[in-house]
Amino acid sequence: GAVVSQHPSWVICKSGTSVKIECRSLDFQATTMFWYRQFPKQSLMLMATSNEGSKATYEQGVEKDKFLINHASLTLSTLTVTSAHPEDSSFYICSARLGGYSPLHFGNGTRLTVT
Amino acid sequence: AQTVTQSQPEMSVQEAETVTLSCTYDTSENNYYLFWYKQPPSRQMILVIRQEAYKQQNATENRFSVNFQKAAKSFSLKISDSQLGDTAMYFCAFMKLGPFMDSNYQLIWGAGTKLIIKP
Repeated sequence: GAVVSQHPSWVICKSGTSVKIECRSLDFQATTMFWYRQFPKQSLMLMATSNEGSKATYEQGVEKDKFLINHASLTLSTLTVTSAHPEDSSFYICSARLGGYSPLHFGNGTRLTVT
Repeated sequence: AQTVTQSQPEMSVQEAETVTLSCTYDTSENNYYLFWYKQPPSRQMILVIRQEAYKQQNATENRFSVNFQKAAKSFSLKISDSQLGDTAMYFCAFMKLGPFMDSNYQLIWGAGTKLIIKP
């Protein structure tokens, strides 16, 4: 149980275009999802906390207009990287929690390359 | 603010040996959870083990066990009979608990330890 599916696994896009990443909780309802960014050989950096039906809460330094997060249902959150640039190239990971104090369950990540 | 420190950037051991990864944290909270996550080359984050701070007994999961020293704010992970599949980045994480079972509680992550199991 507690499977989180993230799609796509990898994507290459041209500079200036937008890319959408989907995160789905397959067998549970996730009122909260978290979006992380991970640079090579580094730890996870929290970008934003996504709550179903409300605006996401972004961490300091994360541009909310560049990284649009939508959590329209209890099983789906999306991250859209708008007007992507090469510096946005990174590994993006979503996670969700069953509720309460349960551990985070992670998607398999998306490797974004902007050319 | 809470911090999590993993002082070993990289470790390597022979297959079947026992290895201990260290983690220390700083907090003024009394109620919290601690986690060890594993990230193999596939980059899928996998929960290894969890410890509730109010429990004195150390958590164990098969070959994985922790040494939780609350007063010393130490939370080390011991892997017994290490296997090639244990090769991965290991992250220690802290989550404080509040009075409500709200799902917004964030994890504070350590920098990670790269563990290599040699055949």
